[in-house]
Amino acid sequence: GQQLNQSPQSMFIQEGEDVSMNCTSSSIFNTWLWYKQDPGEGPVLLIALYKAGELTSNGRLTAQFGITRKDSFLNISASIPSDVGIYFCAGLIQGAQKLVFGQGTRLTINP
Amino acid sequence: EPEVTQTPSHQVTQMGQEVILRCVPISNHLYFYWYRQILGQKVEFLVSFYNNEISEKSEIFDDQFSVERPDGSNFTLKIRSTKLEDSAMYFCASTEEGFSTEAFFGQGTRLTVV
Repeated sequence: GQQLNQSPQSMFIQEGEDVSMNCTSSSIFNTWLWYKQDPGEGPVLLIALYKAGELTSNGRLTAQFGITRKDSFLNISASIPSDVGIYFCAGLIQGAQKLVFGQGTRLTINP
Repeated sequence: EPEVTQTPSHQVTQMGQEVILRCVPISNHLYFYWYRQILGQKVEFLVSFYNNEISEKSEIFDDQFSVERPDGSNFTLKIRSTKLEDSAMYFCASTEEGFSTEAFFGQGTRLTVV
């Protein structure tokens, strides 16, 4: 099946630092979505990307749809305590009717 | 803000019993999904549903699973004979215009099979 490789698996940073995580695949995607999940909650959509090369921001979050359509990254600038959680990338392969999720990046922030 | 709602939030059931997980998708959305997440693992696709029929299903979605849209608002997942390995968070999601648009997820139902 299609696989998304998300890295890093976990990050331990100081409050105020910038964060970067990415997802790669051998498959071509026509949609990339980035979600945040808090413990015991459902994934909450952060950013949606639909075109190769697209760069989209949502407050302190910035995400890009890779030119090759096989990767995407998410950056968080000036991290704050409420950024703690698990971040998932999810992609939709052309012609498919399901999202494929990455393994998640667990973000921990030291105050 | 419109949201996907799921009930119950937590269900404990004995192995072999049937469970029905309920979802109310966002009202103007036409495409519906069930995903599951085993504790500590990634979210996995189960099934997509459009126009009152299954559009795609994963290998996880075997004959013990079924979905239904019994009325204009509810979307249900039935597990006919639960197994221990069915214990997971089950998420319902919906999209407005098609499978390639933004999917909004519910809060999930934690299913514990004992």
